[in-house]
Amino acid sequence: KAGVTQTPRYLIKTRGQQVTLSCSPISGHRSVSWYQQTPGQGLQFLFEYFSETQRNKGNFPGRFSGRQFSNSRSEMNVSTLELGDSALYLCASSLGGERNEQFFGPGTRLTVL
Amino acid sequence: AQSVTQLDSQVPVFEEAPVELRCNYSSSVSVYLFWYVQYPNQGLQLLLKYLSGSTLVESINGFEAEFNKSQTSFHLRKPSVHISDTAEYFCAVIPVYSGAGSYQLTFGKGTKLSVIP
Repeated sequence: KAGVTQTPRYLIKTRGQQVTLSCSPISGHRSVSWYQQTPGQGLQFLFEYFSETQRNKGNFPGRFSGRQFSNSRSEMNVSTLELGDSALYLCASSLGGERNEQFFGPGTRLTVL
Repeated sequence: AQSVTQLDSQVPVFEEAPVELRCNYSSSVSVYLFWYVQYPNQGLQLLLKYLSGSTLVESINGFEAEFNKSQTSFHLRKPSVHISDTAEYFCAVIPVYSGAGSYQLTFGKGTKLSVIP
């Protein structure tokens, strides 16, 4: 079974630009979660989608948005990039229950200059 | 809301020595507990989890963790570490019930384990 894939793996943008990151979950998984990882703040939850609906949202500004498609693939968008948005963005897929393991992708390393 | 505290940001240990990585959590509701491991330039991999039943859980590569409800702890231990265990380890919790805050993992800040030859 293929794992969680994220594209692109690396991205360099400048302040003010916007960016879209993509995540393809494990086949059969309907839940996709997004996390931001930085050295200072650690791993922080952004949002979670299940069957194309956002079920849960973390404490991030509205510049961070996401969506999920009918095939469970998910995209995350960050508009008006700031230097502080530089981070590793991880997505995780699962069957959708609290007991179900979340499988993480390798992440997208975003650098904002 | 939940919070997770990993008391040590870095733990150096000699090869074949035992190690304990400490994790304490705070939550107003029952939680499931997890340990994840992250190798350089990779995502997170689940090491072990506590959902219910025996409070001592084990992984396939020799790690174990014990859930202590009274002390709200879930410390990770290994009796003899190898060079290949060098990585960053994250403790995480998720609420048991379905409601606000569900389905999201709350992570500790991580502990970097360095195994010295």
